[in-house]
Amino acid sequence: EVQLVESGGDQVKPGGSLRLSCAGSGFMFSSYTMNWVRQAAGKGLEWVSSISSTGGFMFYADSVKGRFTISRDNAKNSVFLQMDSLRGADSGIYFCVRDAQLQPPEYNWFDSWGQGTLVTVSS
Amino acid sequence: QSALTQPASVSGSPGQSITISCTGTSSDVGSYNLVSWYQQHPGKAPKLMIYEGSKRPSGVSNRFSGSKSGTSASLGISGLQSEDEADYYCAVWDDSLKGWVFGGGTKLTVL
Repeated sequence: EVQLVESGGDQVKPGGSLRLSCAGSGFMFSSYTMNWVRQAAGKGLEWVSSISSTGGFMFYADSVKGRFTISRDNAKNSVFLQMDSLRGADSGIYFCVRDAQLQPPEYNWFDSWGQGTLVTVSS
Repeated sequence: QSALTQPASVSGSPGQSITISCTGTSSDVGSYNLVSWYQQHPGKAPKLMIYEGSKRPSGVSNRFSGSKSGTSASLGISGLQSEDEADYYCAVWDDSLKGWVFGGGTKLTVL
């Protein structure tokens, strides 16, 4: 069974930093592109970032480009999201999400989601 | 990133059928890129309901269907049941943005 478990969510002041982690199990972690998707309270889903299986390709939403950095450690079956210069608009639940296929993103979808970790940016 | 356009809400009575639309552009829904649909109950993680525009994952009821025409995709639910009450989101990769875009979400109410 595919499992994705996020951790690292916390309350932080504007301008602060936070590092989220996601541990995957039940599948060949090193073969899959991994993603972060967030959801502000009472709002819709927003894609944040993706990282290819080897870590060679990374993509970011315009709203986080230059402030967030995605990375992965395939030896530890983990993906990370380093979040710097945090803003109130970054508050929400952050989901770790797996691509369904070993294909480029245009031929893909999200088949497994973690339960999320809560980030609160507030003074 | 520009969100795909979905109606904010739809409703139907038990047993009825509804459709949720998802409108994009030629660089996302209107391209060869694959549209997927997700169901989210309050306080829960989203769940994949439709992929490749019209296919159902194992375990998803055949009351759920998907289609696409031009720059619009649709999710259909027949024989509405109370447990279908949830938020629904469409998603697709956008070639020009080099990123994923989601619809704004549609709240389905089963009356």
